Amino acid sequence: EVQLVESGGGLVQPGRSLRLSCKASGFTFGDYAMSWVRQAPGKGLEWVGFIRSKANGGTTGYAASVEGRFTISRDDAISIAYLQMNSLKTEDTAVYYCTRAIYSTPYWGQGTVVTVSS
Amino acid sequence: EIVLTQSPGTLSLSPGERATLSCRASQSVSSSYLAWYQQKRGQAPRLLMYDASSRATGIPDRFSGSGSGTDFTLTISRLEPGDFAVYYCQHFGNSRGTFGQGTKVEIK
Repeated sequence: EVQLVESGGGLVQPGRSLRLSCKASGFTFGDYAMSWVRQAPGKGLEWVGFIRSKANGGTTGYAASVEGRFTISRDDAISIAYLQMNSLKTEDTAVYYCTRAIYSTPYWGQGTVVTVSS
Repeated sequence: EIVLTQSPGTLSLSPGERATLSCRASQSVSSSYLAWYQQKRGQAPRLLMYDASSRATGIPDRFSGSGSGTDFTLTISRLEPGDFAVYYCQHFGNSRGTFGQGTKVEIK
């Protein structure tokens, strides 16, 4: 059974950094791209970014709203995808979901809450 | 950057009625990268359709998708109580993804 479990969320001050983790199980992690999607309180879904598998170059892509501040990486040895978030803004407050694959995925984690506030 | 605009914002219908949801792209997109999701309060999204018209595993055939170019449609032929939720379209292309703002299907 495919499982994705996010962790690392919490309360952080504006301008600070936070790293989220997504622990995967139930599939060969290294074979798949991974993505992050977020949802601000009471708002819709916002695509954040992705990382391809190493076999496909391990390349990344980001939404314009986070490019230059957020970095996605992966450690295939321990089946974890990371979302490093720097220079956080209040508008980054959201539930952050990790998903398997870049597009049209049935596999989502339960989400982790990030609150950016002073 | 491609923008997806969903309409209407809210659809008020009764169980058994037909729901037609629209997703319009700001420029022509490949239907191979157009998906639809359903999200209920407090839950992660659920994949309904991919490649514009292919149902995901386990999705009943009362859900159907169509469209090409800039105009895409999700149709629910006969609404059941569990279908009242928020629906999002999604596109991926040129290494960027995007979601529409969502359509809420509520009980009339």
